Amino acid sequence: SQQGEEDPQALSIQEGENATMNCSYKTSINNLQWYRQNSGRGLVHLILIRSNEREKHSGRLRVTLDTSKKSSSLLITASRAADTASYFCATDGGTSYGKLTFGQGTILTVHP
Amino acid sequence: EAGVAQSPRYKIIEKRQSVAFWCNPISGHATLYWYQQILGQGPKLLIQFQNNGVVDDSQLPKDRFSAERLKGVDSTLKIQPAKLEDSAVYLCASSRASTGPSTEAFFGQGTRLTVV
Repeated sequence: SQQGEEDPQALSIQEGENATMNCSYKTSINNLQWYRQNSGRGLVHLILIRSNEREKHSGRLRVTLDTSKKSSSLLITASRAADTASYFCATDGGTSYGKLTFGQGTILTVHP
Repeated sequence: EAGVAQSPRYKIIEKRQSVAFWCNPISGHATLYWYQQILGQGPKLLIQFQNNGVVDDSQLPKDRFSAERLKGVDSTLKIQPAKLEDSAVYLCASSRASTGPSTEAFFGQGTRLTVV
């Protein structure tokens, strides 16, 4: 079964707006990662946040992690049409060997 | 550095036939993953290798799927015999981590399998 659950399943916004996606998980984690997948292509790593971190930034991306609520959010600021893709959270579920488990994803559509 | 290479990109087979996928990870990466992604879903981990040893194959349907990692480098995933529900994209990924928590994983473009 999947560890992470993304919300919403689909998000449609206009260029320039911010997009927020949420991820909830069930068990303790070593870290949580976000990936992007363009249609028909492989996944691309966006950002990794460790369990002892609360917030991390990378360019227009901001990730937060609340381990007490077992949730994370990905914020994309000033979105562009090129940000249109599926976004997945992946949890490293605390095993000794770094098992990455993906959620179902959020489909983001940014209209020009 | 070169990325994760997978072949073939596309494969169409009839049910009950066999098929094999090949993956060449990034040089020096100890961990190799095979994921199955059914249309509209997130990737599901089938098997994870660290060097040439299996560390997790709990979701691999072992009656029909098999995988190996040769000399801790290239890997092949085989399905024999294939079922209609095996139609999916098979993704290979690799990461530097040799022990402990995961690090950034690099994905190949995937192999799109259609079973008819």
